[in-house]
Amino acid sequence: QLQLQESGPGLVKPSETLSLTCTVSGGSISSRSYHWGWIRQPPGKGLEWIGSIYYSGSTSYNASLKSRVTISVDTSKNQFSLKLSSVTAADTAVYYCARQQRFIAASHTANWFDPWGQGTLVTVSS
Amino acid sequence: SYELTQPPSVSVSPGQTATITCSGDKLGDKYACWYQQKPGQSPVLVIYQDNKRPSGIPERFSGSNSGNTATLTISGTQAMDEADYYCQAWDSTTGVFGTGTKVTVL
Repeated sequence: QLQLQESGPGLVKPSETLSLTCTVSGGSISSRSYHWGWIRQPPGKGLEWIGSIYYSGSTSYNASLKSRVTISVDTSKNQFSLKLSSVTAADTAVYYCARQQRFIAASHTANWFDPWGQGTLVTVSS
Repeated sequence: SYELTQPPSVSVSPGQTATITCSGDKLGDKYACWYQQKPGQSPVLVIYQDNKRPSGIPERFSGSNSGNTATLTISGTQAMDEADYYCQAWDSTTGVFGTGTKVTVL
């Protein structure tokens, strides 16, 4: 059974860089069938897609965060990582990693996240 | 940017049908999926590719998508279905989540 586990500091100072790692177990991150994504949820608010990565290193990012986000993959460790620079209090959230599945039809593509990690709360505060 | 709008809340009596809508421009031309999130837990996929149920999701969960609206239907709603529900679609290569709906089972 595939499992994902987020890890990283729970407290980050304003203007610094948030760094998180997602460790995948029970399956290979190098599978050609999947992408891997980061999603966040501020306390009491909704979900926001941050970005996704393929095992080859190909990435896609939320335009609203693109200038500050870097997602990378380490296939040797079966991990992928998130870096978010110049953080502010608005970046305080539970950060989730998840496997992204795709179905490519003739006219458009379906994408969905399943399963998700348990999430990790990152607080931005001095 | 692309937006998906859901009603903030839906109330339903046990055993009745709950209907949750997700509205977006030409959403029917895209695929939609739905997640259930209970307090303090990670989201769980309940519908993908408009109307498909993952293994382990009860048959009372169903989905449809046409025009500008995707719909999640919970038939014979149970107390355990009380949760927040989020739709999601992709606009080109960008993932977009709906605003979320809190389902209360009275």
